[in-house]
Amino acid sequence: QSVLTQPPSASGTPGQRVTISCSGSSSNIGNDYVYWYQQLPGTAPKLLIYMNNQRPSGVPDRFSGSKSGTSASLAISGLRSEDEADYYCAAWDGSLSARVFGEGTKLTVL
Amino acid sequence: QVQLQESGPGLVKPSETLSLTCSVSGGSISGYYWSWIRQPPGKGLEWLGYLYYTGYAEYSPSLKTRVTISTDTSKNQVSLKLTSVTAADTAIYYCARSTRDIVFDYWGPGILVTVSS
Repeated sequence: QSVLTQPPSASGTPGQRVTISCSGSSSNIGNDYVYWYQQLPGTAPKLLIYMNNQRPSGVPDRFSGSKSGTSASLAISGLRSEDEADYYCAAWDGSLSARVFGEGTKLTVL
Repeated sequence: QVQLQESGPGLVKPSETLSLTCSVSGGSISGYYWSWIRQPPGKGLEWLGYLYYTGYAEYSPSLKTRVTISTDTSKNQVSLKLTSVTAADTAIYYCARSTRDIVFDYWGPGILVTVSS
């Protein structure tokens, strides 16, 4: 059981906007930046969002991140078939002195 | 372009030590944090620990008695040792680079390590 809680699955149709939540506590999300990673099938994770809402170069602006208190969200607008992947949130947990990941959300594009 | 590549045995016997190397090309290991992350088949990501190039390290509380991360600056490599392995340590092992504020910006492709006799 991870200290960061994500829904196990999410889905949407092409062109839709979907959001994936990540819930934590004051020892992690409430006190540190949130990061999001996309893992396409059979590949290594890829950094999608850093420092809550910043996109690395090359990441489309369809992807956006936000944080409020002890929760964070990843939003994907204009959903495309190639967005079908597992998405993970991560943060530093000061109580554990450890980098923690959410359990991951499998996004299906219907 | 920075590239990371994990290497090492794909099969380790129970109770033995898992040893992996991450070779970094296209950039120096100096100035960065280097982490190992693993993913059991069909499951989520687990952070094992990180080493700052100065030698400072932090490890997952659940694994800290068994994990050691080290660097060889002359070879531009980062290494992982995990002792007393069991079947529960079977996973894809990734190395990843971080800066202070940008966590895991580069990843290796990963290496599957199976623990079995």
